Amino acid sequence: IAGITQAPTSQILAAGRRMTLRCTQDMRHNAMYWYRQDLGLGLRLIHYSNTAGTTGKGEVPDGYSVSRANTDDFPLTLASAVPSQTSVYFCASSNRTGCQFFGPGTRLTVL
Amino acid sequence: GQNIDQPTEMTATEGAIVQINCTYQTSGFNGLFWYQQHAGEAPTFLSYNVLDGLEEKGRFSSFLSRSKGYSYLLLKELQMKDSASYLCAVMDSNYQLIWGAGTKLIIKP
Repeated sequence: IAGITQAPTSQILAAGRRMTLRCTQDMRHNAMYWYRQDLGLGLRLIHYSNTAGTTGKGEVPDGYSVSRANTDDFPLTLASAVPSQTSVYFCASSNRTGCQFFGPGTRLTVL
Repeated sequence: GQNIDQPTEMTATEGAIVQINCTYQTSGFNGLFWYQQHAGEAPTFLSYNVLDGLEEKGRFSSFLSRSKGYSYLLLKELQMKDSASYLCAVMDSNYQLIWGAGTKLIIKP
């Protein structure tokens, strides 16, 4: 790997189902982030982690949870998906300057 | 509250110059970033300004005035591949990035 990977690339999900979006980076960055991007609204921060073992809430955390068991992985879980969670989800990590590097994204549709 | 403003859409001609403006009001300032995002792809880093002035990187330049809460991204010798959205983001006092909604740049031949 070189950079950040996300899985799956896209997913169609029935409302009420549980879903985990995966994110892995190999740059040894301490900080990682989850964003959603909706047309006209730009990137909105869901959750973040400044270092392994710690997490924090962003602008739109409701309905989502994260964990950070190690430096490389930062999964995002939707406990019970709702249609308003239909979006494109980006994972990112940042170096010491704060510059963020993004994964390719997961396109999620909740029906 | 915190706010980043940039135009929703701009149109320019291939070979020309375009300036994309960004104004911000944030709780603290620890730097301003510009990202490029092609349709259906992830944002990619373009530039970083933390001090006032102009940073030049090839065809792209970025300017910052902290006293005015203002930045611009200047793209010269426009190419069709520059058609993309350009995102302005400010790092606040908590070292979190506050994102603008992005400017969609359309390049016409």
